[in-house]
Amino acid sequence: SSELTQPPSVSVSPGQTASITCSGDKLGHRYGCWYQQKPGQSPKLVIYQDTKRPSGIPERFSGSNSGNTATLTISGTQAMDEGDYYCQAWDSGGIVFGGGTKLTVL
Amino acid sequence: EVQLLESGGDLVQPGGSLRLSCAASGFTFSTYAMSWVRQAPGKGLEWVSSISASGGRTYYADSVKGRLTVSRDSSKNTLYLQMNSLRAEDTAIYYCAKTLYGGIDDAFDIWGQGTMVTVSS
Repeated sequence: SSELTQPPSVSVSPGQTASITCSGDKLGHRYGCWYQQKPGQSPKLVIYQDTKRPSGIPERFSGSNSGNTATLTISGTQAMDEGDYYCQAWDSGGIVFGGGTKLTVL
Repeated sequence: EVQLLESGGDLVQPGGSLRLSCAASGFTFSTYAMSWVRQAPGKGLEWVSSISASGGRTYYADSVKGRLTVSRDSSKNTLYLQMNSLRAEDTAIYYCAKTLYGGIDDAFDIWGQGTMVTVSS
């Protein structure tokens, strides 16, 4: 399976926009999704099929996927959005996760 | 309420075996592909294995191929992971996860709370 590359950390001020990227070979040709994980908790799906939000996920979470890069965007970031974020995609017979990005709201 | 409850995690010696279980409730288990994902202490998520809704197709990460075996029993609404020839690098929290629409390549919309496997002498 191919790799997905994420920045280890992203920092953002409250109320500003946070963008987390996920890069992989021809990632735009596959569906990508994103998970949020807070300390001591199981991961939570926040974006699926590149751009869709599950029920209960705030509208400030959005996604895109084109070329070799998928992006998770959090508009009007709040303190509660702090945590680790992982991208994921299916790739030729297996699932691949990105290495994760720690989002800090300061 | 849709729920997944893992069990079976334990401390085991290198080379030992363990079987994890994941009891599903609140949805029609037999129509959804399921997966196991693990997370080593302080590390990121790592996909381990997936099984189709029917159980007829299974997929494994290269790191566990030949040592771990996924299976399911729809009569018991339970997913399993048989773990043999365990290594220290298998130490992790093991999560089971349900696919959103049932397809093997879907996102995971429901995760269990995880069960800890520690491989150490």
